Amino acid sequence: NAGVTQTPKFQVLKTGQSMTLQCAQDMNHNSMYWYRQDPGMGLRLIYYSASEGTTDKGEVPNGYNVSRLNKREFSLRLESAAPSQTSVYFCASEVTGYNQPQHFGDGTRLSIL
Amino acid sequence: RKEVEQDPGPFNVPEGATVAFNCTYSNSASQSFFWYRQDCRKEPKLLMSVYSSGNEDGRFTAQLNRASQYISLLIRDSKLSDSATYLCVVNEGSNYQLIWGAGTKLIIKP
Repeated sequence: NAGVTQTPKFQVLKTGQSMTLQCAQDMNHNSMYWYRQDPGMGLRLIYYSASEGTTDKGEVPNGYNVSRLNKREFSLRLESAAPSQTSVYFCASEVTGYNQPQHFGDGTRLSIL
Repeated sequence: RKEVEQDPGPFNVPEGATVAFNCTYSNSASQSFFWYRQDCRKEPKLLMSVYSSGNEDGRFTAQLNRASQYISLLIRDSKLSDSATYLCVVNEGSNYQLIWGAGTKLIIKP
């Protein structure tokens, strides 16, 4: 009954370091998403993957890359971390279709010094 | 950027009271609507979808007003456990992107 699993839960980086956030879902969902959430703002979409083998930019893709490794896994990479990327990152998955809800992982709290 | 606007609150409400808040959206072509609940430092969780005819789930009632482009959430007989941030979410239907409001914070006081 895992749902959407994100790792790590917390991370502190120095400016310029790189890292990959991992996300896996076991619900056989087609679509997966990466969001960031900053205080006082709604979730903002970074990248999404409508299906295995496809990825598309969301609202705030700059500074990030993604990989849809297979149907289960969707990773987010920061190549050269910047303090402006300090945020809480959520991965979500969804059964593609009208009026389908998204299911979220627990989030990754990332601080960049 | 298409907008989804919510009153950030906080709404401080005594236990047992009824509380309602609205969310406005800017794109008249929006097709599906949701309310999510987010507890402090946790992930958002779906509270309910919002249907054109309005819908009810226990103490929660959601309404959609397409003419005025807003959705509402009514909570009756509020419980301490209802304290959370309520996120309004709109799917414009043209792609896979949901537009998220910043949330309304609700605090239920004993």
